[in-house]
Order: sequence, then structure tokens, then C-alpha cells
Amino acid sequence: YELTQPPSVSVSPGQTASITCSGDKLGDKFTSWYQQKPGQSPVLVIYQNTKRPSGIPERFSGSNSGNTATLTISGTQVMDESDYYCQAWDSSSAAVFGGGTKLTVL
Amino acid sequence: QMQLRESGPGLVKPSQTLSLTCSVSGGSMISGSYYWSWIRQPAGKGLEWIGRIYTSRNTKYNPSLNSRVTMSIDTSKNQFSLNLRSVTAADTAVYYCVRVFGYYESSAHFDSWGQGALVTVSS
Repeated sequence: YELTQPPSVSVSPGQTASITCSGDKLGDKFTSWYQQKPGQSPVLVIYQNTKRPSGIPERFSGSNSGNTATLTISGTQVMDESDYYCQAWDSSSAAVFGGGTKLTVL
Repeated sequence: QMQLRESGPGLVKPSQTLSLTCSVSGGSMISGSYYWSWIRQPAGKGLEWIGRIYTSRNTKYNPSLNSRVTMSIDTSKNQFSLNLRSVTAADTAVYYCVRVFGYYESSAHFDSWGQGALVTVSS
């Protein structure tokens, strides 16, 4: 099972960033999203498609339908500049990650 | 709050076995709907799931690594471990130990990560 993400996305500060993750019938699965800043461990920002862990700002939201899951960052801040990875579970219960998207805020 | 920390050699020779241990502090490994995973990341590349282990010792591995991987767990020590056999330079990566939360695997997520351990495979 494969998840496909765009290698890079650019957004201006204060605007909305959307990062997509595509996979066959991905909408039938739960998707999680992880943020990773340089030299740091990944951090969970969205789980079960739409849920935010405690401590994650409300500007982070997620959706999942059809073949595409989307991470949306509203009012993007410079501190949101990071790599973002989507993740789902395949039919054999193996975890699969997307290739990652580098979000640039400029 | 639970914390995870990886430990083990930072340098492994080709064809030998990479061994890492993850020590869990701040709580018991057997509490809650948690299980445990290893994930790795080569420099400048993406995340690759290696496998997971339940406190029951039930394991599941990435099919691409299945023949070389063994995971174990010692709940009395609050530790779990990774062994990766017959390593090559392609196994050079940062290795993360990770807590997985979820009542069902299909809805589980990686909610707590160790700081990562760089393991280099080189002679």
C-alpha cells in the first residue's frame, strides 16, 4: 500500500496551507499526520483523520474522503515550517507513511 | 507523562546485528491501550515503520524487513528491544522507539516518540 504526498508546499504567513496524501480508498482508513522539525523527533498533530492531540493548535485540522486525506493549517505561522508525514495502516495492519511534504512559509 | 529513550551502539559493522533498547519511564508499559513500535529514518529521507510489539510479546514486522528483524519486550524492566540482523549501509538511519495508542490497530497512532538514535553501519 502506498501513500503519496507532494514533496513541497509553499504558503505565505497568515494564509491557509493544504497538504494532501493520496492512496487507494484512503478514505476508508484512518489517517494520522506528523510534524517534524529539523533535528527533532516527529510529533503527532492529527489522528483518526480529524482529531487533534492536546497541545496542538486549533489551526491544524484534517479531513479524509475518497482517495485523499488533507492536512490544513489555517493562519499558517512561520513556526509551522516543517516536514509533514501522513500515515495509515494497510490491510495487513502494517503502518505505511507517505514520503513527506516540506512546508515552506515565506 | 511517559518518556522513551533509545540506547545502543552508534556504529555497527556490515553483516553484524544492530541492537537497540528503548527504556520507558513515567509510567508502566502495561497500562492503557498502548503497544510499542520501532520506526527509522535515513538521513534526509522519510519515515519507515519497522514493526510493533504488544506486551503479550505478539509481534508484526514490515514485510520488507521481516526476515531480519526481531523485537522483544521486558515489561518488568519497562523496556523493549530491536535486533536487525545482517545489516548493510542501507540500514544507516536514526532509529526511533515509539508508543502506539489505539484500541484497534486500524485506528491507532504514534503518540509519543523517543529522541532517536543514530546508527551508522560502516566497517
